[in-house]
Amino acid sequence: QQQVKQSPQSLIVQKGGIPIINCAYENTAFDYFPWYQQFPGKGPALLIAIRPDVSEKKEGRFTISFNKSAKQFSLHIMDSQPGDSATYFCAASMGSSNTGKLIFGQGTTLQVKP
Amino acid sequence: NAGVTQTPKFQVLKTGQSMTLQCAQDMNHNSMYWYRQDPGMGLRLIYYSASEGTTDKGEVPNGYNVSRLNKREFSLRLESAAPSQTSVYFCASSVQGSDFYGYTFGSGTRLTVV
Repeated sequence: QQQVKQSPQSLIVQKGGIPIINCAYENTAFDYFPWYQQFPGKGPALLIAIRPDVSEKKEGRFTISFNKSAKQFSLHIMDSQPGDSATYFCAASMGSSNTGKLIFGQGTTLQVKP
Repeated sequence: NAGVTQTPKFQVLKTGQSMTLQCAQDMNHNSMYWYRQDPGMGLRLIYYSASEGTTDKGEVPNGYNVSRLNKREFSLRLESAAPSQTSVYFCASSVQGSDFYGYTFGSGTRLTVV
């Protein structure tokens, strides 16, 4: 019940395409859903996050879509660029709890071809 | 503002050797975490410290020990390194409760056990 399942494992798109990465969770107590972006040799960095009281959040070219009833959320990258090539992790937590532990998905390696 | 600082960045150990990975944060965060990252498995929680003076096991604690030295510092110790502990280790920190907004990660320690 603590798992977060992420797909696909890898993704290749052309510049300007819209890659979509999907995540599913089981624990309905999760109340915070972030996405992290990681470049080679670096630590993950927070990209965008959503709480379950909204169905969509946009920050620049990055959009999270959230479906509470299906217990799924996804990341869309509009007008993707080669500089977006990175590994993306979804995560979930009971953020309002004292520990705030994040449970991570398995990661998606994205390559955007010029 | 340094954020989360991890040392060393790289380390090679022989099986059976011990070492301590150091982590320090300067953001006045209460909670700190140690994760390991392995290909195809995402980020898995080893140990966490919700607040100064407390530590708890995560998903994969076997073979590791931790010390929350003070509010800033959280170290991870491998008492007798094994090849299965070859991984990239990340330290992270966060605030707690309703102000939780995810983690700030360090840049990682790449550990090879031969």
